[in-house]
Amino acid sequence: DIQLTQSPSFLSASVGDRVTITCRASQGISHYLAWYQQKPGKAPKLLIYGASTLLSGVPSRFSGSGSETDFTLTISTLQPEDFATYYCQQLNNYPRTFGPGTKVDIK
Amino acid sequence: QVHLVQSGAEVKKPGASVKVSCETSGYTFSDFYINWVRQAPGQGLQSMGRINPHTGVTDVTQKFEGRITMSRDTSISTAYMELSRLTSDDTAVYFCAREAMALVETEWAAFFDLWGQGTLVTVSS
Repeated sequence: DIQLTQSPSFLSASVGDRVTITCRASQGISHYLAWYQQKPGKAPKLLIYGASTLLSGVPSRFSGSGSETDFTLTISTLQPEDFATYYCQQLNNYPRTFGPGTKVDIK
Repeated sequence: QVHLVQSGAEVKKPGASVKVSCETSGYTFSDFYINWVRQAPGQGLQSMGRINPHTGVTDVTQKFEGRITMSRDTSISTAYMELSRLTSDDTAVYFCAREAMALVETEWAAFFDLWGQGTLVTVSS
């Protein structure tokens, strides 16, 4: 199985900050990576697929980049509703593994 | 509107089985894989398996081989996941998720675009 690591696991930030989360795959996965946002008690929500394609309706302050083994999710200007946990997921092959998550908390 | 609606919370004893349903609406059920993902309390997301609703063929994550059964009823656009020989480690929220694909430049990329609301399964003696 392809393993994903994320850093940091926890991030404390303020509204207006620029936030970057990194996801690293144990082997090359081309651009087959998605990012999800999850809030407590809710199902994950898709933000980005294909490493950098923003899902329709997702605010443009979210962006993704990377390929093969190294990927980033950037929130350009953190908003109050962005405090949540973020997961990357590889869809290069099965099983569709997830990263361990990055919790973004209020400083 | 497109929806995935799951069955309600369950409490089971160790050694028992649980069956969770995922009723879909608003799209052609047979056109998209349904995945099952679980989340233990305070933990991350774990992929369990998926079913092709058109063929009934399943893919199972190795950790759950021999314990998970995925099925579907195309007449009511519903997928099912049954997990047997439950232990306390199986206490978790179980999600179903639709796997879709979109063309990104020249290649198709997959993603989980729709999720059920989750079903809490508690295993306790």
